[in-house]
Amino acid sequence: NAGVMQNPRHLVRRRGQEARLRCSPMKGHSHVYWYRQLPEEGLKFMVYLQKENIIDESGMPKERFSAEFPKEGPSILRIQQVVRGDSAAYFCASSPRRGRAGELFFGEGSRLTVL
Amino acid sequence: QQPVQSPQAVILREGEDAVINCSSSKALYSVHWYRQKHGEAPVFLMILLKGGEQKGHEKISASFNEKKQQSSLYLTASQLSYSGTYFCGTGDSQGGSEKLVFGKGTKLTVNP
Repeated sequence: NAGVMQNPRHLVRRRGQEARLRCSPMKGHSHVYWYRQLPEEGLKFMVYLQKENIIDESGMPKERFSAEFPKEGPSILRIQQVVRGDSAAYFCASSPRRGRAGELFFGEGSRLTVL
Repeated sequence: QQPVQSPQAVILREGEDAVINCSSSKALYSVHWYRQKHGEAPVFLMILLKGGEQKGHEKISASFNEKKQQSSLYLTASQLSYSGTYFCGTGDSQGGSEKLVFGKGTKLTVNP
């Protein structure tokens, strides 16, 4: 049973380019969370999605950032016109269902470097 | 609001014990504990739910004081493999599959 798969693991972009980060949740999981982690910092919540729905995007910057989780395919975190401050590790986590607080399964992360 | 973890860092010798604390200014439904090794994904250790239910790791225990909105993680007879950064994540929703707000982490180093 494969875990949460994120790609790419490492991504280098120049300022002004776009970054697309992908996350395939564990099989049977319909809830996806994106977190951002800066060096020596904690995990900062960005967005919570279910299939085709954004449930909570209170942690997403108002501009340049968007996320989706289509009916088919992985969840995508998109960052347009990247700036140096976007350099961070972006972690995706998934969980199976609502109804009871439970474990989040994290992917290995995508490390974005903006030159 | 982000929970506050203390201490920020701990250095132990193998076999020693450690306690990591997590406190919140908000009423909590659940507290989750994760460990992250450098360059790796956070790994689930423990979840504590309001009402006393607890699920988690064999060799690591934790407490959850609902009234004080605090949790403590107890690491006994530490092993080298315990090294890493420990994060508490707090949830305030009973609805399930809630977002977690994580503290800044406690870096634990276990030396031989």
